[in-house]
Amino acid sequence: SAVISQKPSRDICQRGTSLTIQCQVDSQVTMMFWYRQQPGQSLTLIATANQGSEATYESGFVIDKFPISRPNLTFSTLTVSNMSPEDSSIYLCSFINQETQYFGPGTRLLVL
Amino acid sequence: KQEVTQIPAALSVPEGENLVLNCSFTDSAIYNLQWFRQDPGKGLTSLLLIQSSQREQTSGRLNASLDKSSGRSTLYIAASQPGDSATYLCAVRPRASSNYKLTFGKGTLLTVNP
Repeated sequence: SAVISQKPSRDICQRGTSLTIQCQVDSQVTMMFWYRQQPGQSLTLIATANQGSEATYESGFVIDKFPISRPNLTFSTLTVSNMSPEDSSIYLCSFINQETQYFGPGTRLLVL
Repeated sequence: KQEVTQIPAALSVPEGENLVLNCSFTDSAIYNLQWFRQDPGKGLTSLLLIQSSQREQTSGRLNASLDKSSGRSTLYIAASQPGDSATYLCAVRPRASSNYKLTFGKGTLLTVNP
């Protein structure tokens, strides 16, 4: 199966700042997904990113807060903007291959 | 709205024991169900995928069953080992073919003691 990597693996940020998370897959995939895992909670889908089109956001998530780029079929970025402590979470990118969903190692974000 | 519940929230067993993790979902209109494990500080590793038309899937010491009509899945781990210690998550994908959103449970934290 394809290898999926994320950068950074973790970060500590000050409130009001923004962080961009990168996701790289070693093969071309049509759709990429961004999930959030808040402490003690289950994973929640933020948005679906298709190459060449705007990302589709789930209820409760907006583009101004979580802008996403998908410049090609192997790469995507998620930006967490104007951060607050409530944004402290693990952010994971994901893709589907032959019905199975695969996840990156996650980016652990702590906002102070 | 789909809801996924996993019981128990935590489980501690001695090495060598067989165990069952439970997952229930409220909407039986699913496309498939997937079991993952998550190690501390790591991402998710896919363990087993069961399509809605299937009853079970096996991989090594793992066996997952699906009873779609009752909204239940179980993950059976045989002869548990300390290396099986992790959080186990189940997730369901809705039936609509264009909907790829997974709904996750909160997971079962498994500790296998040597």
